[in-house]
Amino acid sequence: DTAVSQTPKYLVTQMGNDKSIKCEQNLGHDTMYWYKQDSKKFLKIMFSYNNKELIINETVPNRFSPKSPDKAHLNLHINSLELGDSAVYFCASSQDGGQGGGAFFGQGTRLTVV
Amino acid sequence: AQSVTQLGSHVSVSEGALVLLRCNYSSSVPPYLFWYVQYPNQGLQLLLKYTSAATLVKGINGFEAEFKKSETSFHLTKPSAHMSDAAEYFCAVRIQGAQKLVFGQGTRLTINP
Repeated sequence: DTAVSQTPKYLVTQMGNDKSIKCEQNLGHDTMYWYKQDSKKFLKIMFSYNNKELIINETVPNRFSPKSPDKAHLNLHINSLELGDSAVYFCASSQDGGQGGGAFFGQGTRLTVV
Repeated sequence: AQSVTQLGSHVSVSEGALVLLRCNYSSSVPPYLFWYVQYPNQGLQLLLKYTSAATLVKGINGFEAEFKKSETSFHLTKPSAHMSDAAEYFCAVRIQGAQKLVFGQGTRLTINP
């Protein structure tokens, strides 16, 4: 049983396309996140949702639109993809904002824009 | 604002030697601190966490870390490196009330036979 699962694992697409990444967690957590890992392995938060409400939007271009239909799901839609969007995107979840327990991460989606 | 600095982007040790990965944090309030490990083409796995209980924290795979407030440090150690420890290691901080982790730059650990 995968705790945090995201699909697809790999995504290759052309500039200008629109794509979505899906994320689901079966841990019963109330907070979900999207993180971006660049080519230098640096990890930065993009969004945080608590009980389906947007809590953090870390100056991400509005081409990126997260959607949380319920507590267990947080999807990421990206419009008009650019070369600079190429990265690994990680979904994560935690309970109570992760105050004590940290966050659980998915396996990542490697997005390549050509 | 809180931040994390990992000293050394690449650490190389021999199999059986001591592993020491350094992490210093900056936070105006008592932080929660975490170490994560990332194996190639995988997600991040939580190794251990400090949440204001014991200052010496034991984690999985024989790793441990000590919270030193006076030095604002949370260094990760393992007495004897194993080949399977080769990976990228990330230190992260979360301040109370903030719903996000702030990560350090990562340290790539290489184990020499």
